[in-house]
Amino acid sequence: AQSVSQHNHHVILSEAASLELGCNYSYGGTVNLFWYVQYPGQHLQLLLKYFSGDPLVKGIKGFEAEFIKSKFSFNLRKPSVQWSDTAEYFCAVTPTGGGNKLTFGTGTQLKVEL
Amino acid sequence: GAVVSQHPSRVICKSGTSVKIECRSLDFQATTMFWYRQFPKQSLMLMATSNEGSKATYEQGVEKDKFLINHASLTLSTLTVTSAHPEDSSFYICSAYDGQGRSSNQPQHFGDGTRLSIL
Repeated sequence: AQSVSQHNHHVILSEAASLELGCNYSYGGTVNLFWYVQYPGQHLQLLLKYFSGDPLVKGIKGFEAEFIKSKFSFNLRKPSVQWSDTAEYFCAVTPTGGGNKLTFGTGTQLKVEL
Repeated sequence: GAVVSQHPSRVICKSGTSVKIECRSLDFQATTMFWYRQFPKQSLMLMATSNEGSKATYEQGVEKDKFLINHASLTLSTLTVTSAHPEDSSFYICSAYDGQGRSSNQPQHFGDGTRLSIL
């Protein structure tokens, strides 16, 4: 079975700071990778996803993530965060062809201060 | 974008009560819906996969008789927590996607979740 690790549980940044959230997965086969965001009081929303091709994927709101297969990583980045990026971020993985069953990491709570 | 409505958003009830949670896809046909459970400070844990018109597939360790899932139409799945006890208190989230004739790699759309508190 697959597993996902998010090492940063809480991150506090000032506006305009750069962001990188770590995500590592464990699985023996090929996977599809996702980052979801949950703003306060709202449902989970898809930020970006990787299925195949260019390992650097760009998502909404200026976020991007890079799939490094050799490191089993899919870190999320943003060059300059805004106060409105305050939210909880979840990394998730599903085996390719695995019926879309997501395995989530424990989430990272990001707080951006003015 | 695709919208999934989950109802109710919060339930507080006495031990022994059965509670039904609804998950509806509002603008697409959800051939598959998933039910997750989230404990405080923990990840979302998949409980079961619900396919329209067939029995749900439960993850290991999830009691089928405790968590009854019905997916009778392409837009509605329900989760019933039967004879709920305090240890069933949690945050339950559904998601849905349209996998009809397409790759299984369609994104899931999530409901807002239901906070269940059993006294």
